[in-house]
Amino acid sequence: EVQLLESGGGLVQPGGSLRLSCAASGFTFSSYAMSWVRQAPGKGLEWVSAISGSGGSTYYADSVKGRFTISRDNSKNTLYLQMNSLRAEDTAVYYCAKDRARKVGATESSFDYWGQGTLVTVSS
Amino acid sequence: DIQMTQSPSSLSASVGDRVTITCRASQSISSYLNWYQQKPGKAPKLLIYAASSLQSGVPSRFSGSGSGTDFTLTISSLQPEDFATYYCQQSYSTPRSTFGPGTKVDIK
Repeated sequence: EVQLLESGGGLVQPGGSLRLSCAASGFTFSSYAMSWVRQAPGKGLEWVSAISGSGGSTYYADSVKGRFTISRDNSKNTLYLQMNSLRAEDTAVYYCAKDRARKVGATESSFDYWGQGTLVTVSS
Repeated sequence: DIQMTQSPSSLSASVGDRVTITCRASQSISSYLNWYQQKPGKAPKLLIYAASSLQSGVPSRFSGSGSGTDFTLTISSLQPEDFATYYCQQSYSTPRSTFGPGTKVDIK
C-alpha cells in the first residue's frame, strides 16, 4: 500500500524558514517523480515544485523560485521542501504527491497518491 | 501559462442526479487533463487521468471526456459520498501543471 506522510509544518514568522519532509512507502520511491502541491485556506490547489526520480532535475513555480528548494533522499525514501524567506502568502496546507509517470515532465503526468498534508502558517 | 477555468463554480444536486462539470483550458492541451475529488480536510483523490481514463478503484459512475480545450467530468448517478469539490488539472505543461479553481457539489 502506497503511503505518503508529511511532517515539519508549523507556525513561522515572516522571513523565517521551515523544512518539510514526506516519508514514502509502498512503492519504488526512486522510480517516480514527486511534487509538492499547496492549498491556501479556503482556496484551490497550486503546484509548487517537482523533482525527478534521481533528484537530478528540479522545477519550481514562479511564486516560490529562489526561496524554496526541493530535494529527495532515495536511500531514506524521503522527499523534502526547504522553505526560506517565508511570506504570509505561503500560508497553506502542503501536500506531497506521487506522479503516475516515472519521468518528470511527462505529459501523461497525474498525481495518483497524496499525503495527508501539513499546515504551514506564516504570521507574526 | 495555461489557465484553467471550471463551470459552474458550485452546484446543488440530489442523490441520483446526473451531474456534469466543465473545464476549459486557455489553449489546446490535447488530452492531458486530469480530474480530482477533494473532501473537506482531506487530500485530493485522482479520479480521471488523460481526460477519460478511470483511475483504479474509482467507481464507474465517474467518467471524463473531451480534448483540445474543452473537457467534462460526469457523475452518472450522484451518491452521498460524492458531495465534494472537484478540480481539473492540465498536465500539458507539466511539471508546471495548473489546476482549475474547483467546483463544489453540495446537497440540494
